[in-house]
Amino acid sequence: QVQLVQSGAEVKKPGGSVKVSCKASGYPFSGYYLHWVRQAPGQGLEWMGWIQPNSGVTNYAQKFQGGVTMTRDASITTAYMELGRLRSDDTAVYYCARGGFIPATHFDSWGQGTLVTVSS
Amino acid sequence: EVVLTQSPATLSLSPGEGATLSCRPSQSVSNSLAWYQQRPGQAPRLLIYDGFKRATGIPARFSGSVSGTDFTLTISSLEPADFAVYFCQQRDKWPITFGQGTRLEI
Repeated sequence: QVQLVQSGAEVKKPGGSVKVSCKASGYPFSGYYLHWVRQAPGQGLEWMGWIQPNSGVTNYAQKFQGGVTMTRDASITTAYMELGRLRSDDTAVYYCARGGFIPATHFDSWGQGTLVTVSS
Repeated sequence: EVVLTQSPATLSLSPGEGATLSCRPSQSVSNSLAWYQQRPGQAPRLLIYDGFKRATGIPARFSGSVSGTDFTLTISSLEPADFAVYFCQQRDKWPITFGQGTRLEI
């Protein structure tokens, strides 16, 4: 079955960076767009961007351009999301989510989430 | 960007009752709208996509519909596990956006 397993919780200082991993299994990794979505405590869901695992092409929400980098290592079916210049309002649970064969899609499988806490 | 307005913010019902949740986009999104359920401490779970199509493994008591530009998620005969937060999401226009959620509580 489709599984997305994310790395563990992180605590970072303001101004630093964090890199979250998402290990995919149970489906052809290169065929499906992989998205990142975050959720601040008690808040709604915010789409951050996507990566096409085959080509490595990315597309980021305007809010995150210049601050986020999405990469992948297809040999180990793992995607990464690195967020820099961290601020306290970046404290959130970060999810990877499987999209479809096209960029604009719904998300049929989600990772378990990674809590990133930004605090001095 | 497309703003999705969900109503009500909170819905208080009892097991066995039916629930009707609404999602209104600020502009047309065609039928490109999905619904998710999120239980406490868990990731969202896809329920409905493209307005009315049930995702794999979703019980028939969950249904989606479209009327004009407004979208509705209907849950018939609520079960205890259905009490959660529900989000809508559009994929018709960039960026992808989500509604702020409806909390379904006992």
